[in-house]
Amino acid sequence: TQLLEQSPQFLSIQEGENLTVYCNSSSVFSSLQWYRQEPGEGPVLLVTVVTGGEVKKLKRLTFQFGDARKDSSLHITAAQPGDTGLYLCAGEGGSNYKLTFGKGTLLTVNP
Amino acid sequence: GAVVSQHPSWVICKSGTSVKIECRSLDFQATTMFWYRQFPKQSLMLMATSNEGSKATYEQGVEKDKFLINHASLTLSTLTVTSAHPEDSSFYICSARDFQGSPFGAFFGQGTRLTVV
Repeated sequence: TQLLEQSPQFLSIQEGENLTVYCNSSSVFSSLQWYRQEPGEGPVLLVTVVTGGEVKKLKRLTFQFGDARKDSSLHITAAQPGDTGLYLCAGEGGSNYKLTFGKGTLLTVNP
Repeated sequence: GAVVSQHPSWVICKSGTSVKIECRSLDFQATTMFWYRQFPKQSLMLMATSNEGSKATYEQGVEKDKFLINHASLTLSTLTVTSAHPEDSSFYICSARDFQGSPFGAFFGQGTRLTVV
């Protein structure tokens, strides 16, 4: 069974601060995805990383896939209240295209 | 990205009744869809994998007879919660994979908040 350890589980910061969320596993994933979810809605795909060592940027968000494709990080620069939400990492590596989700990071950015 | 539509967005039903939730891929064909359950402030728990034209694959601990899944076409999967009880109250979300589009990933419906009274 593949597991993804996501940390921290909760994060409350002030507007303008930087933060990093981590996803770690002992398993190798063919791809890893990051999602953001707001209350009462479904998760929205932010990015998919496929190549070991890959770095992708989405405005103030930087995503990195570990060289061994076992871990990933999400870094947010100068966080804004609009970044508030539940961030989920998900790895793909099993059969039938199933995703293994981390437990999520609930981010609150205070104005 | 691709669009997945889920309906209804919320439903309240009496204990003992059945509720059907629909999941549609609007602009792509999905041979495989997934059904998740989510508790407040927690991550998604995979319930089952819905395969077009064949039986769904259920995760361990999920009752097949309680959560009926039908994937009759390439754009529609349904989840029916049979004989619902208050403990079935939860947020149910479907997703579909678009292997042709960009970005490559899973696209989720809006979710259905089920409340059983």
